Amino acid sequence: QKEVEQNSGPLSVPEGAIASLNCTYSDRGSQSFFWYRQYSGKSPELIMFIYSNGDKEDGRFTAQLNKASQYVSLLIRDSQPSDSATYLCAVRGTDKLIFGTGTRLQVFP
Amino acid sequence: EAGVTQFPSHSVIEKGQTVTLRCDPISGHDNLYWYRRVMGKEIKFLLHFVKESKQDESGMPNNRFLAERTGGTYSTLKVQPAELEDSGVYFCASSLAGNVLFFGSGTQLSVL
Repeated sequence: QKEVEQNSGPLSVPEGAIASLNCTYSDRGSQSFFWYRQYSGKSPELIMFIYSNGDKEDGRFTAQLNKASQYVSLLIRDSQPSDSATYLCAVRGTDKLIFGTGTRLQVFP
Repeated sequence: EAGVTQFPSHSVIEKGQTVTLRCDPISGHDNLYWYRRVMGKEIKFLLHFVKESKQDESGMPNNRFLAERTGGTYSTLKVQPAELEDSGVYFCASSLAGNVLFFGSGTQLSVL
């Protein structure tokens, strides 16, 4: 079992819709969770991080964490074509970030 | 403020040659990380420096890889001799307190 699992996609949504990206992790002791966005050929860019169970909102983005289910998600409201990218879920273990393979999101006009 | 910078952006070498990648972290960031992404796989941890000391090098694939961080500033990652399976994108990241990592744009290494 991979430590951090994501559906590779692509996830295709129309412009204006809500995109839902999901991630599960295996280490119950994980404390912090991150979502990075990566455009092709560019560096991963931090979108959000979350430490506590529940929802955390930042503009059009909402991160959701459920530690009991070992599940973290990212919702993107009012999706735009510029949101088309690969979204990487990362979980902090003892001292290092462990990444999933990423989900490719395509937002079509 | 300058971000994490990596050099070169691309490197194409032949099997058996040596390549050195460089990373300049954000000024003041004591924590420096190297990661690698092989095509189709997830970004994988290689090692972590705190200042000039190696905090964790559990992800280094083998002894062909040597990372240094002289003076606790920039870091180099040398691969000697390079093998075909070393091809991938090598990312460097830095952080102030070890929580949020800021990534460089990576070095695309192709070993032919």
